[in-house]
Amino acid sequence: DGGITQSPKYLFRKEGQNVTLSCEQNLNHDAMYWYRQDPGQGLRLIYYSQIVNDFQKGDIAEGYSVSREKKESFPLTVTSAQKNPTAFYLCASSILGPGHTEAFFGQGTRLTVV
Amino acid sequence: GESVGLHLPTLSVQEGDNSIINCAYSNSASDYFIWYKQESGKGPQFIIDIRSNMDKRQGQRVTVLLNKTVKHLSLQIAATQPGDSAVYFCAEKGAGGTSYGKLTFGQGTILTVHP
Repeated sequence: DGGITQSPKYLFRKEGQNVTLSCEQNLNHDAMYWYRQDPGQGLRLIYYSQIVNDFQKGDIAEGYSVSREKKESFPLTVTSAQKNPTAFYLCASSILGPGHTEAFFGQGTRLTVV
Repeated sequence: GESVGLHLPTLSVQEGDNSIINCAYSNSASDYFIWYKQESGKGPQFIIDIRSNMDKRQGQRVTVLLNKTVKHLSLQIAATQPGDSAVYFCAEKGAGGTSYGKLTFGQGTILTVHP
């Protein structure tokens, strides 16, 4: 089946640890995105990538890092520099090009700091 | 800027009524404006989009209106059903340069449909 897969679904992190969230898509989409969602709030853009080996900071990139070594993969690392990482993290992908507006989202990873 | 601490506005309607959800956007250079629906615990799903050179677009039971003069976007849902209960977000897609393809979400609205 084609789609976008995030793993794990739930993740627990001790304070001071780095953790990496996985995002894989087999839709052959050029663009990939990471968003953070806090309870009762909207989606805030962390990073996005338009092409392999390139990515751009979003509105809240501090304390996060990404890589885009393969078209189908866009992992997000939450570093110890992120002071309040507990949130719901969503990955998305889309086709780049005129008229292509639909982004496909994964099921999300819920990260909790313990 | 960040919206930490702000909570989403809510809209409650009766089944069968029409719903209107509003959104103010900030970037006049955006190429497309899009509406997404998010059900609890899931990722958002695409509903409908409108290009910046249009002012109205209709889909199945939904209509999106764009007023560029006041930077306002609205989603109208006809004959609202309980299954429409969700959080609705507007989003903007960047037009060019490093913002090409950048997808930024606005504040959402919680829609509750009562049977």
